Amino acid sequence: ETGVTQSPTHLIKTRGQQVTLRCSSQSGHNTVSWYQQALGQGPQFIFQYYREEENGRGNFPPRFSGLQFPNYSSELNVNALELDDSALYLCASSKTGLNEQFFGPGTRLTVL
Amino acid sequence: GIQVEQSPPDLILQEGANSTLRCNFSDSVNNLQWFHQNPWGQLINLFYIPSGTKQNGRLSATTVATERYSLLYISSSQTTDSGVYFCAVDTGFQKLVFGTGTRLLVSP
Repeated sequence: ETGVTQSPTHLIKTRGQQVTLRCSSQSGHNTVSWYQQALGQGPQFIFQYYREEENGRGNFPPRFSGLQFPNYSSELNVNALELDDSALYLCASSKTGLNEQFFGPGTRLTVL
Repeated sequence: GIQVEQSPPDLILQEGANSTLRCNFSDSVNNLQWFHQNPWGQLINLFYIPSGTKQNGRLSATTVATERYSLLYISSSQTTDSGVYFCAVDTGFQKLVFGTGTRLLVSP
């Protein structure tokens, strides 16, 4: 059984740029959620995708957007990067009807 | 929204000691998970425990949903147990709300 994978592992961008992060869900899982973890804090929910549509969103601006593909993999896109977007971005997958979420290793984004 | 508080915020133990970590939440929950975040940032699932008691080796967890708290017990701690422990709750929409975390350091 393949776990959740994310790419890239690390990324450095400058303010104003755009970034795309990728996530492959665990085998058999159809729901993907994205979280942002700032240094020294717990992860914060960004949004969730199910059946290729956004299915719930946290308190994040519209410049955070996402996609889910037919194979259940997902992308997180962030436009007009700000310094405060520097964080660990975590992807989690789960299966409808089973609430337990499993996390990938994360992508560490640094915005200079 | 729901509030999730963990205690203690920091914990230093000698190898072999036992510890109890607490998670209090302010509303009813459908799901509660305990995670261990290692130094590389990976969140490792420890328990999925919306209610009741579970054990896995040296670790066990108890959730008393009616009183809105959960406890994580670590026995005979090892240096590899070091890291940050998070509880996270879901109020019914598969959106996890994480607690404030407990940072554990186990020294040899």
